[in-house]
Amino acid sequence: DSGVTQTPKHLITATGQRVTLRCSPRSGDLSVYWYQQSLDQGLQFLIQYYNGEERAKGNILERFSAQQFPDLHSELNLSSLELGDSALYFCASSPRGIDQETQYFGPGTRLLVL
Amino acid sequence: AQSVTQLDSHVSVSEGTPVLLRCNYSSSYSPSLFWYVQHPNKGLQLLLKYTSAATLVKGINGFEAEFKKSETSFHLTKPSAHMSDAAEYFCVVSEVGNEKLTFGTGTRLTIIP
Repeated sequence: DSGVTQTPKHLITATGQRVTLRCSPRSGDLSVYWYQQSLDQGLQFLIQYYNGEERAKGNILERFSAQQFPDLHSELNLSSLELGDSALYFCASSPRGIDQETQYFGPGTRLLVL
Repeated sequence: AQSVTQLDSHVSVSEGTPVLLRCNYSSSYSPSLFWYVQHPNKGLQLLLKYTSAATLVKGINGFEAEFKKSETSFHLTKPSAHMSDAAEYFCVVSEVGNEKLTFGTGTRLTIIP
């Protein structure tokens, strides 16, 4: 157990809908990262937050957004969902959010868009 | 730019025999390299990390990896495979100035009883 929690574990929804994925980092970690794992794209970095501020952006679609709250938990919002958004979404956390720091991953949220 | 190439998408070994999972990396700067493991329907667990302190890195569950700069490789090995090692393994790179991790495509390890 990494200490990173994610809810829900599974999510089934329809195209066009909007969902919110939640992540709580390890105690003491200030940085949160979101990754998407799909069969065709593999594991891809989406976005990073550090202490409430966006720090780095990866291959995140405009339909997707995220934020990190004062208590350091983070939410990933996915809107206008398409079939291709079906994937496993991971959250990771690290203490300082700096380069080359070890990131600890949560168990993931499996999203199925029908 | 940073990238990793995992040379085998699938490796099968018999229980009790050695494991070798191959990874080559590309990085403009001194990289940190990681191996993560993903068991079925589970999250990603850190196996080991290289940070330039020593080229041979020991990880959990008997795994180790050797950083070879001349070959730009970071292969993962284990002397004797166990049934519980069956999983997907990811080689990961992070370079100076880049907070994100870049993952390889993964190697699925199957253990034959």
